[in-house]
Amino acid sequence: QQQVKQSPQSLIVQKGGISIINCAYENTAFDYFPWYQQFPGKGPALLIAIRPDVSEKKEGRFTISFNKSAKQFSLHIMDSQPGDSATYFCAASNPNSGYALNFGKGTSLLVTP
Amino acid sequence: EPEVTQTPSHQVTQMGQEVILRCVPISNHLYFYWYRQILGQKVEFLVSFYNNEISEKSEIFDDQFSVERPDGSNFTLKIRSTKLEDSAMYFCASSEWTDNNSPLHFGNGTRLTVT
Repeated sequence: QQQVKQSPQSLIVQKGGISIINCAYENTAFDYFPWYQQFPGKGPALLIAIRPDVSEKKEGRFTISFNKSAKQFSLHIMDSQPGDSATYFCAASNPNSGYALNFGKGTSLLVTP
Repeated sequence: EPEVTQTPSHQVTQMGQEVILRCVPISNHLYFYWYRQILGQKVEFLVSFYNNEISEKSEIFDDQFSVERPDGSNFTLKIRSTKLEDSAMYFCASSEWTDNNSPLHFGNGTRLTVT
């Protein structure tokens, strides 16, 4: 059973555009929703995270939008740059499982010059 | 910035052999994890470890797998008798605490190839 569903699988955006990646979850016990960025040959690195008590969190060009009633959250990358080209994973965790992260399948983002 | 280091970066082994993947977590971190990523698929949780014992483990982490913190710095994952389907990237991670305020820091992974 896939606990976190992520879309799209791949995304191509022009430089300066907005990249949007969506995730949906089913387990209402999840209370922590991070986004990880992974470059080839590297491990995932935490980009930004949100808790369900807020609907939006912004850090620089990266924004998480969270819709608790719809059980969905999304990552928006404003003014996308070629250096943002990477694989992005959403994840979710809950205290009942020791905060083990449940990852989405990942989105491969390519930002073209 | 302190980082999680993993060795080797690539391990090739024959089916049925034992392998040990090694990790050095960030020094002041108390919680340690192993995740794996089969090529082209999502990152999957294997096990978490705290205070010299397993805290949580997934269905993937069966009797063929074991973890150990043999000294004050290393954290190892042992696969007793490797199968072809164990071929994956294995990531070690560590965190200071196990709550939302303590993000996981991942190593760069060990690519395990079972032939």
